[in-house]
Formats: sequence, C-alpha cells, structure tokens
Amino acid sequence: SQQGEEDPQALSIQEGENATMNCSYKTSINNLQWYRQNSGRGLVHLILIRSNEREKHSGRLRVTLDTSKKSSSLLITASRAADTASYFCATDAAGANNLFFGTGTRLTVIP
Amino acid sequence: SAVISQKPSRDICQRGTSLTIQCQVDSQVTMMFWYRQQPGQSLTLIATANQGSEATYESGFVIDKFPISRPNLTFSTLTVSNMSPEDSSIYLCSVSGFSPPREKLFFGSGTQLSVL
Repeated sequence: SQQGEEDPQALSIQEGENATMNCSYKTSINNLQWYRQNSGRGLVHLILIRSNEREKHSGRLRVTLDTSKKSSSLLITASRAADTASYFCATDAAGANNLFFGTGTRLTVIP
Repeated sequence: SAVISQKPSRDICQRGTSLTIQCQVDSQVTMMFWYRQQPGQSLTLIATANQGSEATYESGFVIDKFPISRPNLTFSTLTVSNMSPEDSSIYLCSVSGFSPPREKLFFGSGTQLSVL
C-alpha cells in the first residue's frame, strides 16, 4: 500500500506547547501535503512541500521533508485549543493519479 | 479556491436502501473525487468522477455499488446502493486545485452516513 503511516496516532498537549507529528511513506513522491480535519468533517489543506524542498513555513506551521528517509514532520508552534483536530499527511506519488492519505494524528490541545 | 456544497450533511438509512449524495462546486473543475472515511480511519479514494464519461473506480469499489454521475463541470453525485451497516462512513467529495491542477484538494463538508 502507498498509504502513509503517521505517528503518534494521538497526541495531547497543553496550550502554548509545540506539537510534532510525523509521516512516513513508501514510494517516490512529487509532493507531500498536510491536511486538517475537524470533528469528522471536510479536510482543509494546510501546506504543500515539494520533493526538492526540505523545509517550509506557514504561520505557526513548519513542515520538513526527508526524501532519503521517506518521512515528513509537521510542527505546530505555540498551540491553541482551536488547533484540536485530526491531521493527515497525503502523498502525491510519482506516476499516481490521486493523493494517498496517511492514517492521521488526533491532536488535543488542552486549554 | 473553491466553495463546495455537499448534501445531505448526515443521514440515517435502513439496510437495503440507497442514498444519493450531491456535490456542487461554485466554479468549473476538471477533477472531482469521491472519498470514503470509515470510523476512525483515513480517507480512501472511491473513484474519480469524469465529466461526460464513466467514473474511474479504485480497486475494491464497483459501479454497481457506488454509481457516480458527472453531468457537467460543477456537479457530481455518488449513490451508495443496497446499503449495509458496513457502509456507515463519512463520504467526502473533493476537487483538485486550479493552478496548477491536482496539487491540492478542496473538500466538501462531508456526508455522515449511518446504516441501521
């Protein structure tokens, strides 16, 4: 399967702390994306990192990509209660026609 | 970006019945996709809805069970046929980004289906 694996499956932190989620995948990719899902509703695109990029920032989000290890991490700094959601990585695999979503990390930020 | 309206947002259905989910986009899009998310799981692509031709189904999904229509570039429907409790899931439509295509997805708000 090309589906990514994410860890941890669940993460609970205090407001103000940083949250780090990891994603591993199996095939060569064109890009890797991170999405957020609130309470089982539609997903919202957060950030995209291309295979030739190593790090990308967007506001409080920092994404890294290591293609040699086939892994990515999403860091949310200074977390807020509103960041409570599930986070999914998705890979745009070379030669594929669709995105493959990871297993997700359920983040809970305690006020 | 795209505004995607999906309905119904939720439904509770009896075993053996069918449900049609609608997805309306506020602008023309080339690629429309239907995903299933089983309870506590990740997203699995059901099919790509092609305008003017039959949908392209992923392994494990068949047209008889999940017929899809795509009459134009802004609208698609997914029908879940002859439902069983195993079909209880969230169903999501999505469209690919506009520039460049397919790089990121925009999602509808999902349809939460429970089959009794």
